[in-house]
Amino acid sequence: NAGVTQTPKFRVLKTGQSMTLLCAQDMNHEYMYWYRQDPGMGLRLIHYSVGEGTTAKGEVPDGYNVSRLKKQNFLLGLESAAPSQTSVYFCASTYALAGGPDTQYFGPGTRLTVL
Amino acid sequence: AQSVTQLDSQVPVFEEAPVELRCNYSSSVSVYLFWYVQYPNQGLQLLLKYLSGSTLVKGINGFEAEFNKSQTSFHLRKPSVHISDTAEYFCAVYLYSSASKIIFGSGTRLSIRP
Repeated sequence: NAGVTQTPKFRVLKTGQSMTLLCAQDMNHEYMYWYRQDPGMGLRLIHYSVGEGTTAKGEVPDGYNVSRLKKQNFLLGLESAAPSQTSVYFCASTYALAGGPDTQYFGPGTRLTVL
Repeated sequence: AQSVTQLDSQVPVFEEAPVELRCNYSSSVSVYLFWYVQYPNQGLQLLLKYLSGSTLVKGINGFEAEFNKSQTSFHLRKPSVHISDTAEYFCAVYLYSSASKIIFGSGTRLSIRP
């Protein structure tokens, strides 16, 4: 049971380049999330998904796109990277509970630098 | 609207001393609160959570937190810290909506001095 995994772990891009971050979970979770972490700002939600084939915008969605073609995978895309997207990106997943929130399980993160 | 505030960005303490990390929240509905810990170069993991019931919540690694509705606080405490507790700690509040979304505070970096 690997939990939540993210690839790649590190990446350096030039302004204008594109890339895709992959998140995979093997816990059969319904909900998945992409966050970015910046110093002094905690984690901010970029996009999330409540199930296969569904996605929704979070707090800071501009410049990012996502897809959830399979339940276990959640992809985060940057079509044209900008220096402001230099950050650490975390993926998380959780069960869908009717009575309230369950624990979110986090991946190890991807450190992205845009030059 | 729900929000969470961590007033202390950094808390230095000596090893074996007690520590309290402060968290205040605002919410107009029922509250669910969390503390997550992030060790250096790792993802976040759940330390403890308050959903209902007893206001004193015990978590992993000897940490506990007390939910105080009148003061809208959920402070994290440990009576004696170890070097291994060096990490960043995030308080979070459930965003009362679908999809189990939560809002994170800005984090408190706990540094332990020998």
